[in-house]
Amino acid sequence: AQKITQTQPGMFVQEKEAVTLDCTYDTSDPSYGLFWYKQPSSGEMIFLIYQGSYDQQNATEGRYSLNFQKARKSANLVISASQLGDSAMYFCAMRGNNFNKFYFGSGTKLNVKP
Amino acid sequence: DTGVSQDPRHKITKRGQNVTFRCDPISEHNRLYWYRQTLGQGPEFLTYFQNEAQLEKSRLLSDRFSAERPKGSFSTLEIQRTEQGDSAMYLCASSPDGTGGANEKLFFGSGTQLSVL
Repeated sequence: AQKITQTQPGMFVQEKEAVTLDCTYDTSDPSYGLFWYKQPSSGEMIFLIYQGSYDQQNATEGRYSLNFQKARKSANLVISASQLGDSAMYFCAMRGNNFNKFYFGSGTKLNVKP
Repeated sequence: DTGVSQDPRHKITKRGQNVTFRCDPISEHNRLYWYRQTLGQGPEFLTYFQNEAQLEKSRLLSDRFSAERPKGSFSTLEIQRTEQGDSAMYLCASSPDGTGGANEKLFFGSGTQLSVL
């Protein structure tokens, strides 16, 4: 069965510091995609970063990077130089071998302190 | 590209009434998904369309729920005989046919917040 696990319901980080949000996944599919989304209090889901299961290098998008450890089935999001606007819910998601569904974790609420 | 549009933004209804939500995906996107999200939780998959074909349905989608995507463009999600447990945010998302990579990401609408009294 496909499953995404986010074990940190809430995190605090000081402004300008880096923070890591944990995500582990479970799948038997040989090919899959991993995503991180940000959901501010306004509710919209904002795509942050993508990692393919066959990608050799960790994905990076500006201040976001994905620490992909395939053997451990983990896909942690690293946010460098946190900003107050980073305060939001963060969801890890996975697309399996087909595109019929994406699985989401329960999310981590990040609070950035000034 | 105007993004994924959902209507209405908010819906308040009484228990037992029927409600219908509409989703207009990004025009060139063949894939359309419906999700349900309750407060503090991640989105839960409801159903998936490839063009007009409904290819996947969650067990969460009881016989009171039905979704359509006529002509492979907009989609509707209907809930019959609503219950208080149906209160949630209903999210629609679309994506283009997979070309691999980040292009396969989901583009979400702003959602329809349903409150069943």
